[in-house]
Amino acid sequence: DQQVKQNSPSLSVQEGRISILNCDYTNSMFDYFLWYKKYPAEGPTFLISISSIKDKNEDGRFTVFLNKSAKHLSLHIVPSQPGDSAVYFCAARYSGSARQLTFGSGTQLTVLP
Amino acid sequence: EAQVTQNPRYLITVTGKKLTVTCSQNMNHEYMSWYRQDPGLGLRQIYYSMNVEVTDKGDVPEGYKVSRKEKRNFPLILESPSPNQTSLYFCASSPRGRGFNQPQHFGDGTRLSIL
Repeated sequence: DQQVKQNSPSLSVQEGRISILNCDYTNSMFDYFLWYKKYPAEGPTFLISISSIKDKNEDGRFTVFLNKSAKHLSLHIVPSQPGDSAVYFCAARYSGSARQLTFGSGTQLTVLP
Repeated sequence: EAQVTQNPRYLITVTGKKLTVTCSQNMNHEYMSWYRQDPGLGLRQIYYSMNVEVTDKGDVPEGYKVSRKEKRNFPLILESPSPNQTSLYFCASSPRGRGFNQPQHFGDGTRLSIL
């Protein structure tokens, strides 16, 4: 049973437009959420995170929104650039546990020039 | 350069032949983990280690062993590999601090094919 779900395997967006990647979770114990980006033949790299005490966190072109009541988070990329084309993984954890992250299955973002 | 190094990057082997995938980090991180990535399933944690000589099972530990004799190294051992362990493997490390919420640094992956 996947506790973190990314229901869109792929997303295509025009350069300059907004990319919105979605993630749902089922475990109400999760209180810290992260997004990772992965290029082919490389490991995932950390992008942005958010604690459950917040509903928004922004870093440059990247903003993560958290809706705790809906158990939903989203990553907004504005404006999208061709270099943003990658697989994006949503991940969650419970801060009180030493166990590491629970990942979603990923969304392949393609930004078209 | 701060990095997590995995070796080998690619390996094709046969069922039952013991193999070890090495992982080394140069950032003096306390936490290290192993994940496997399979299509449609994302990354699933195999084992993790909070520090030297402290290891624990993740979500999919069956068929794997690990050891943490030194802080920098966290090898993954497949004593008797089987075809269902064909996968892409990632090692990751993170420092202690801010609870357990430090982002993890990942290696570039090891693609294992077990025939």
